Amino acid sequence: GAVVSQHPSWVICKSGTSVKIECRSLDFQATTMFWYRQFPKQSLMLMATSNEGSKATYEQGVEKDKFLINHASLTLSTLTVTSAHPEDSSFYICSATQLSGAWEKLFFGSGTQLSVL
Amino acid sequence: RKEVEQDPGPFNVPEGATVAFNCTYSNSASQSFFWYRQDCRKEPKLLMSVYSSGNEDGRFTAQLNRASQYISLLIRDSKLSDSATYLCVVNTNAGKSTFGDGTTLTVKP
Repeated sequence: GAVVSQHPSWVICKSGTSVKIECRSLDFQATTMFWYRQFPKQSLMLMATSNEGSKATYEQGVEKDKFLINHASLTLSTLTVTSAHPEDSSFYICSATQLSGAWEKLFFGSGTQLSVL
Repeated sequence: RKEVEQDPGPFNVPEGATVAFNCTYSNSASQSFFWYRQDCRKEPKLLMSVYSSGNEDGRFTAQLNRASQYISLLIRDSKLSDSATYLCVVNTNAGKSTFGDGTTLTVKP
């Protein structure tokens, strides 16, 4: 099956620093990637939709200047949390779509646990 | 009202039990439907797609009722390893995926 690689798996950083998370589709070209955030005991919340070669589309309430998304190639999207603060501590997951006939399946990266001190 | 609503959990069942999860969606334009399984602090993994005619994969059976905008997942002969959170996912034809809040299942010996 399709593989999506996400790095790093966990990050601990000081408040005010920026953190970059990478999401790669290893064996298919992903024109669209998605970034989610998940707080403990809550579901995944879509943050933004990342399309290769164009600006990301952010969901309501997500600050585009704080969560910078770059999708420079068909296999790589990055999320940069700028000037991270403790309230940004969360589990961040990316996913990429692969069309399977008429069914668009999502394949997820393994997630990044961000802890901001 | 949330776009995708799932049974509130948690479900605590003994090994061997049959358990059913329900999910409703509000967007009548929804095109495709899935059940994902998520273990604690792990990424969601596709359990099965849900087809209009209903489909079965071993101990798991999924049903879709488009008229009622309702999806279900039935797990027979529960195993300890089935303990996880089950997410109902609905896609629109615009490619947007909407997740339910998930239903947590704990299977006990």
